[in-house]
Amino acid sequence: NAGVMQNPRHLVRRRGQEARLRCSPMKGHSHVYWYRQLPEEGLKFMVYLQKENIIDESGMPKERFSAEFPKEGPSILRIQQVVRGDSAAYFCASSPGGTYSNQPQHFGDGTRLSIL
Amino acid sequence: TQLLEQSPQFLSIQEGENLTVYCNSSSVFSSLQWYRQEPGEGPVLLVTVVTGGEVKKLKRLTFQFGDARKDSSLHITAAQPGDTGLYLCAGAARGSNYKLTFGKGTLLTVNP
Repeated sequence: NAGVMQNPRHLVRRRGQEARLRCSPMKGHSHVYWYRQLPEEGLKFMVYLQKENIIDESGMPKERFSAEFPKEGPSILRIQQVVRGDSAAYFCASSPGGTYSNQPQHFGDGTRLSIL
Repeated sequence: TQLLEQSPQFLSIQEGENLTVYCNSSSVFSSLQWYRQEPGEGPVLLVTVVTGGEVKKLKRLTFQFGDARKDSSLHITAAQPGDTGLYLCAGAARGSNYKLTFGKGTLLTVNP
């Protein structure tokens, strides 16, 4: 998956700690999406961001989760006070197009978050 | 809530066989995308279909979008071990077509 870069690839945290997941979109892409893949489930949409704006965060839990995509630097998905149920693979995708286009989303290789 | 059901969930075949996997929903999608995902990696886009009845071919892979834009199929001819992977379909709804709804996937194993 050349292009969309996520780091770290694996992240281990203890309950109550904070997790920060980073995503650099493909060159030329200004739209970023975060998805979560729980074991035995499909990918679930969490949040859609453009530079400095959150467009749709309807899939993101209201508490402990936040996302940003600053003018400079990668998009960050932040999970505070992690719990065991946060263990999952978190994928970032990016696209070049506008909100209502059919521009395909290109995915990174994900961050596997494990909570001890 | 839109749901995409993929079938079969698991498929194990011999090299050279043909196969079809399905993606069905009761909802209408403005577009549908097929991805393949390898273990430990992210989904890789194979194709996007937009028009009802549309057929797209990618070498030995043929993708079809249903006339009503509620379902899709992926047909692989003369499967090879390199085709092994998790095949995911993802639909985008009209009005919020950035929000992809994913099926749980079909895990295909092609045995040499």
